[in-house]
Amino acid sequence: DSGVTQTPKHLITATGQRVTLRCSPRSGDLSVYWYQQSLDQGLQFLIQYYNGEERAKGNILERFSAQQFPDLHSELNLSSLELGDSALYFCASSVGRSEQFFGPGTRLTVL
Amino acid sequence: AQKITQTQPGMFVQEKEAVTLDCTYDTSDPSYGLFWYKQPSSGEMIFLIYQGSYDQQNATEGRYSLNFQKARKSANLVISASQLGDSAMYFCAMREGFNTGNQFYFGTGTSLTVIP
Repeated sequence: DSGVTQTPKHLITATGQRVTLRCSPRSGDLSVYWYQQSLDQGLQFLIQYYNGEERAKGNILERFSAQQFPDLHSELNLSSLELGDSALYFCASSVGRSEQFFGPGTRLTVL
Repeated sequence: AQKITQTQPGMFVQEKEAVTLDCTYDTSDPSYGLFWYKQPSSGEMIFLIYQGSYDQQNATEGRYSLNFQKARKSANLVISASQLGDSAMYFCAMREGFNTGNQFYFGTGTSLTVIP
């Protein structure tokens, strides 16, 4: 158990819908990272927050947004969902110079 | 240019043999960290080993060692005495700089299959 929690574990929804994925980092970790992993794209970095502020942006679509709250948990919002958004979404947290600790992921299926 | 390159999409190794998974990186920052992660079929990402750019010795963690060749910008993972449970996807990653909050870069991964 990495100490990073993600909810829900599985999510099935329809095209055009909006969903919110939630992540709680390890206690004391200020950085939260979001990744998308699909079969044909590998592990894609989406966005990073550090202590509530956006720090880095990767291949995140405009239909997607994220935020980190004062208690350091983070939410990833995916809207106008398309079939191609079906993927495993990981949250990871880190502190200082250490490795990232990954949550178990949320498997999103868009039908 | 890719920050992390893993050129082996798939690898096979006989049980109890050693295997090397290749990773090269690209950075102009003198301070960086290199990481390897394992992703079994169950999906979770498991941290294996870390090497800092200023570390003089190669990192080792049990059966895992990192062959760090700074001049060649390579950070290959060596798994000794392979076990069936080592069958998984392996990702190499880099973090530039040592400041808190820096971005991580991941490679495309290598799928390792251990043959009994």
